[in-house]
Amino acid sequence: AQRVTQPEKLLSVFKGAPVELKCNYSYSGSPELFWYVQYSRQRLQLLLRHISRESIKGFTADLNKGETSFHLKKPFAQEEDSAMYYCALSYYGGSQGNLIFGKGTKLSVKP
Amino acid sequence: DTEVTQTPKHLVMGMTNKKSLKCEQHMGHRAMYWYKQKAKKPPELMFVYSYEKLSINESVPSRFSPECPNSSLLNLHLHALQPEDSALYLCASSHLPGGRAEAFFGQGTRLTVV
Repeated sequence: AQRVTQPEKLLSVFKGAPVELKCNYSYSGSPELFWYVQYSRQRLQLLLRHISRESIKGFTADLNKGETSFHLKKPFAQEEDSAMYYCALSYYGGSQGNLIFGKGTKLSVKP
Repeated sequence: DTEVTQTPKHLVMGMTNKKSLKCEQHMGHRAMYWYKQKAKKPPELMFVYSYEKLSINESVPSRFSPECPNSSLLNLHLHALQPEDSALYLCASSHLPGGRAEAFFGQGTRLTVV
């Protein structure tokens, strides 16, 4: 079955410290993976997707098919990065598709 | 216009009421979704519409009834809800059915069932 696992419910770091939010997935096909972010009182929005290989707000994520991981990284955390981060897996089978989310990691960046 | 608009933002309803949530997008997306999000939990998929046809129903109780009048609109009709149905209801849309493209989310409707 398709699954997204984010092992950390809460990650707390100090400003300027490196950040790594972990995501592992389970899917037998060729996945599309995303990171979504939800700032306080704002809508869920896409942060980045693995196929674009871009860096958004200093965050990067590399798909590692061997380890079935898609960890989100930033070398120097900022206070404004504090938010809820969701890793998501998109898959397509037959005529149907789906976008499923991990349980989320709350990132807290302290001054 | 790159937004998904949901109305109302907040809704309080009794268990015998009938109400509807509305969602609108003008990005030409052909897939639209309803998610339910409880506090401190990830969004859970409820329904997917692809090309205005219901393609996924994730075993949602019949007291929730989706409707897609056209490619820009998505409704969720509510009837005889329970207090445990109180949650944030999110609408999303994507260019391609199947979620194989970025999903844009609305702000959500915060529903309280009393």
